[in-house]
Amino acid sequence: NAGVTQTPKFQVLKTGQSMTLQCAQDMNHNSMYWYRQDPGMGLRLIYYSASEGTTDKGEVPNGYNVSRLNKREFSLRLESAAPSQTSVYFCASSAGYYTDTQYFGPGTRLTVL
Amino acid sequence: DQQVKQNSPSLSVQEGRISILNCDYTNSMFDYFLWYKKYPAEGPTFLISISSIKDKNEDGRFTVFLNKSAKHLSLHIVPSQPGDSAVYFCAASQGDDKIIFGKGTRLHILP
Repeated sequence: NAGVTQTPKFQVLKTGQSMTLQCAQDMNHNSMYWYRQDPGMGLRLIYYSASEGTTDKGEVPNGYNVSRLNKREFSLRLESAAPSQTSVYFCASSAGYYTDTQYFGPGTRLTVL
Repeated sequence: DQQVKQNSPSLSVQEGRISILNCDYTNSMFDYFLWYKKYPAEGPTFLISISSIKDKNEDGRFTVFLNKSAKHLSLHIVPSQPGDSAVYFCAASQGDDKIIFGKGTRLHILP
């Protein structure tokens, strides 16, 4: 089992460019999450999906869109990247609700110039 | 306003000694608490959790203590080992609501 995989591992964008971060899990989990981690800020929830076809905003959703393509895949899209979106992005999944153990991917380090 | 606070950005402990990582929270409605561990260039991994109906939970070398009246929890690692060097995130939630993470404490285990 690969667990939670994320692509790409690294990305550099110019301000205004768009991109999609991909996430997939092979644990048959219902819930999936996108977090960002900034220095000194901990992990902050961007979006959450409780099941295929549903998505909910987290703490910092502005500037992002998500898509729960199927049970396995949950993508995060930046339509017009800004320097403030420079961060490390983690995807996670859990069997059920938030308090079920969340399994994290290795992260995507994004730099917006 | 930070609801989960880890006031020590870093902590250094001698190998073999006890490591104590602290966490304070402000929301008295939080009823579930977790600790995650993170190595560089990896995603966080779940370490241990505790429900608000308990005041202690133990798993091998790791013990989490919860003091609800003080809105404080702590993670004890005994004995500390080199592989414990990592960033530790405290997290809390209320019911089925989202988990709120603290900023993390970087633990250095000294040889």
